[in-house]
Amino acid sequence: NAGVTQTPKFRILKIGQSMTLQCTQDMNHNYMYWYRQDPGMGLKLIYYSVGAGITDKGEVPNGYNVSRSTTEDFPLRLELAAPSQTSVYFCASSYSRQLSNQPQHFGDGTRLSIL
Amino acid sequence: DQQVKQNSPSLSVQEGRISILNCDYTNSMFDYFLWYKKYPAEGPTFLISISSIKDKNEDGRFTVFLNKSAKHLSLHIVPSQPGDSAVYFCAASGGNTDKLIFGTGTRLQVFP
Repeated sequence: NAGVTQTPKFRILKIGQSMTLQCTQDMNHNYMYWYRQDPGMGLKLIYYSVGAGITDKGEVPNGYNVSRSTTEDFPLRLELAAPSQTSVYFCASSYSRQLSNQPQHFGDGTRLSIL
Repeated sequence: DQQVKQNSPSLSVQEGRISILNCDYTNSMFDYFLWYKKYPAEGPTFLISISSIKDKNEDGRFTVFLNKSAKHLSLHIVPSQPGDSAVYFCAASGGNTDKLIFGTGTRLQVFP
């Protein structure tokens, strides 16, 4: 009963390094999302996907890339890490659009620091 | 432009009393509203939701009220318990979007 699994839980990067945040879900959800949460702020949508092979930008996509080759996995790529990308990153999934009782299920987050 | 606002960053309530968390929104296209609860070092978990065609939804100790004319919703927790201590996020979606817009959260502390 894993739900949404994110790895790693913590990471420190140097400016200019790259990394991939992993996200996998075992609920056969079509929709997947990446958010970032800065201190004292709400969650901001970075990218989302409505199914394998389909991705789209959210509110704050600059500096990030995503891919969705399978239903289960939705990795988030940082190519050139910048201090402004220091944040907590959450991956989420849902079966369909945000209608009726289809809430998004969240992973426990990846805390990323760029130094 | 913050479309979903939670103007109270924190709230402290005694155990057994009512907790009322407030949320305001600006976009009249929003037609579905959700509350999420978040403990430290965990992801948000869905708590309760309400459609714009309703003005109240209840689930056990949790009730959400929606006032569309005022673009305001509130979450009532009765009675409050220490385990309710967490950050509560209001979120909204609507129109043709598949996206949720989150508020900044309210930290609730329930003390004995």
